[in-house]
Amino acid sequence: DQQVKQNSPSLSVQEGRISILNCDYTNSMFDYFLWYKKYPAEGPTFLISISSIKDKNEDGRFTVFLNKSAKHLSLHIVPSQPGDSAVYFCAASLTGTASKLTFGTGTRLQVTL
Amino acid sequence: DAGVIQSPRHEVTEMGQEVTLRCKPISGHDYLFWYRQTMMRGLELLIYFNNNVPIDDSGMPEDRFSAKMPNASFSTLKIQPSEPRDSAVYFCASLTSGEVLYNEQFFGPGTRLTVL
Repeated sequence: DQQVKQNSPSLSVQEGRISILNCDYTNSMFDYFLWYKKYPAEGPTFLISISSIKDKNEDGRFTVFLNKSAKHLSLHIVPSQPGDSAVYFCAASLTGTASKLTFGTGTRLQVTL
Repeated sequence: DAGVIQSPRHEVTEMGQEVTLRCKPISGHDYLFWYRQTMMRGLELLIYFNNNVPIDDSGMPEDRFSAKMPNASFSTLKIQPSEPRDSAVYFCASLTSGEVLYNEQFFGPGTRLTVL
């Protein structure tokens, strides 16, 4: 009963191109979504987030899009850089509560030269 | 400015042994979370504390797992007895109540546990 799903375990993109990472959720109560980035042998670090009252949030090269009706969000990285190679986790939460983050299983992004 | 500190970074033990994982949250953070990462299930919350009090332990897999937070700067996750299926990376994360609205937790580097 995975409430947050990342159906692509891996993605390979050329440097300079766009990377699109996808995430689906099933629990309509979730109203705050986060992306974390994880390098090997390190803990996840917060990357970008979006509230359900928005459909887009941008931070530099990173943009997150939210489609509430489809219960789908995506992370766009433009342009992709080799340093972006990492595992990306999508997470969902309830605003205003320090409740658990429900994570997806992650997508490994490889940015090639 | 130290982040979340976990020890040990790697632990190899034999089935049946007791394992204790340790975590020091960021100073001033009053929420502490324990997660487990496996290939099959990704990152799962095991338990979290607020002001040293356990709030939700519904993710603790079974009675072999226990967690304590005796003070604001220290928490332990204990597995007794350990089993091979407990092999995973265990993460600790912390959060300040000032950031509860967005729940942007700070993670430690993790402890890689291998049970033989």
